[in-house]
Amino acid sequence: DAGVTQSPTHLIKTRGQQVTLRCSPKSGHDTVSWYQQALGQGPQFIFQYYEEEERQRGNFPDRFSGHQFPNYSSELNVNALLLGDSALYLCASSTGGEEYFGPGTRLTVT
Amino acid sequence: RKEVEQDPGPFNVPEGATVAFNCTYSNSASQSFFWYRQDCRKEPKLLMSVYSSGNEDGRFTAQLNRASQYISLLIRDSKLSDSATYLCVVNSSASKIIFGSGTRLSIRP
Repeated sequence: DAGVTQSPTHLIKTRGQQVTLRCSPKSGHDTVSWYQQALGQGPQFIFQYYEEEERQRGNFPDRFSGHQFPNYSSELNVNALLLGDSALYLCASSTGGEEYFGPGTRLTVT
Repeated sequence: RKEVEQDPGPFNVPEGATVAFNCTYSNSASQSFFWYRQDCRKEPKLLMSVYSSGNEDGRFTAQLNRASQYISLLIRDSKLSDSATYLCVVNSSASKIIFGSGTRLSIRP
């Protein structure tokens, strides 16, 4: 039974570019959350998707958007990248309770 | 005031010691609570959920105090492998999940 998977594992982008990160939830999970984790900090909640809709959103600008597909997989899109967007981006899946995390995508913006 | 606050540590304790962390939260309507551990450069892994009645899993005990709005994690007979960052997580309202900044624990031989 595969756990949560994310791709790519690492990514380097330039300021102003756009990026798309992908997540496949754990089998049987229908809810996907995205987090941003800066070095030395706890994960910061970006948003959560359920039934292909954004159900809740944290304090992130509109440059951060997402999507959930009918198979429950999800994408995180970030437009107009800033240096401060450099972080580990974590995806977590659940059935509404305990969340299980993927290994993350480490994004570096130069 | 942060919605979820943890002592960042680091806590440096000898192997075999008992160590406890607290985590306070500001939203009295919070509904569910968890402890995660995170190893360096790895993803967080669920350690245990925290129930109102308290719960125990081997050497780990979690408690919830709704009146004072904190949760705690107690680790008994600590092992070298317990060295990690421990993250407190609060579900503050429907589907809004807040992580603390984490408490670093280092177990020395």
